[in-house]
Amino acid sequence: EAEVAQSPRYKITEKSQAVAFWCDPISGHATLYWYRQILGQGPELLVQFQDESVVDDSQLPKDRFSAERLKGVDSTLKIQPAELGDSAMYLCASSSRDRLTGELFFGEGSRLTVL
Amino acid sequence: GDSVTQMEGPVTLSEEAFLTINCTYTATGYPSLFWYVQYPGEGLQLLLKATKADDKGSNKGFEATYRKETTSFHLEKGSVQVSDSAVYFCALKGATDSWGKLQFGAGTQVVVTP
Repeated sequence: EAEVAQSPRYKITEKSQAVAFWCDPISGHATLYWYRQILGQGPELLVQFQDESVVDDSQLPKDRFSAERLKGVDSTLKIQPAELGDSAMYLCASSSRDRLTGELFFGEGSRLTVL
Repeated sequence: GDSVTQMEGPVTLSEEAFLTINCTYTATGYPSLFWYVQYPGEGLQLLLKATKADDKGSNKGFEATYRKETTSFHLEKGSVQVSDSAVYFCALKGATDSWGKLQFGAGTQVVVTP
């Protein structure tokens, strides 16, 4: 069964350092989402891609966060510099172009701890 | 803006007990409503959905009915198993959203004991 792949699963870093997360969506899925889930809260959308284009990054803290999906396939989310409040689970999800109905397929997530 | 409120957990039940997780929403028009489940160590997965008022979504013994008059989408299961232990998220997709963006509730942890 096709899955959304994310790495690393766990990342511990010190504040002010740079960190990057990688996501490979299900093959053929044109839409890719990055969500952030703070402990005890629901996922919050950071950025959404349709192919290689950003369609929503209104909640992305652009002073320190960046995201790219250069060839419209896999994607990288970067944080520089990391702050203590960035400790969270970073979730990647994908969906197919003709099913922008809210049916998302999620990866297992990347858990970030900032010390 | 659109929002989802669900009951706080953890909810602790014995096996074969009846489960209800309350979910209410605030949104304009007719959003689509979802329940996602996150089993320990796994990613979120879609459990069920409803796209219009009075629709009932069902899957794996779980059911939820889209109630426009009470703006609710409560999740129910008649007889839970230990394997149903997970975190359950209620979510909505806004009526005017065309990109599949979801607004999630905070999640409710369910613990089922033998």
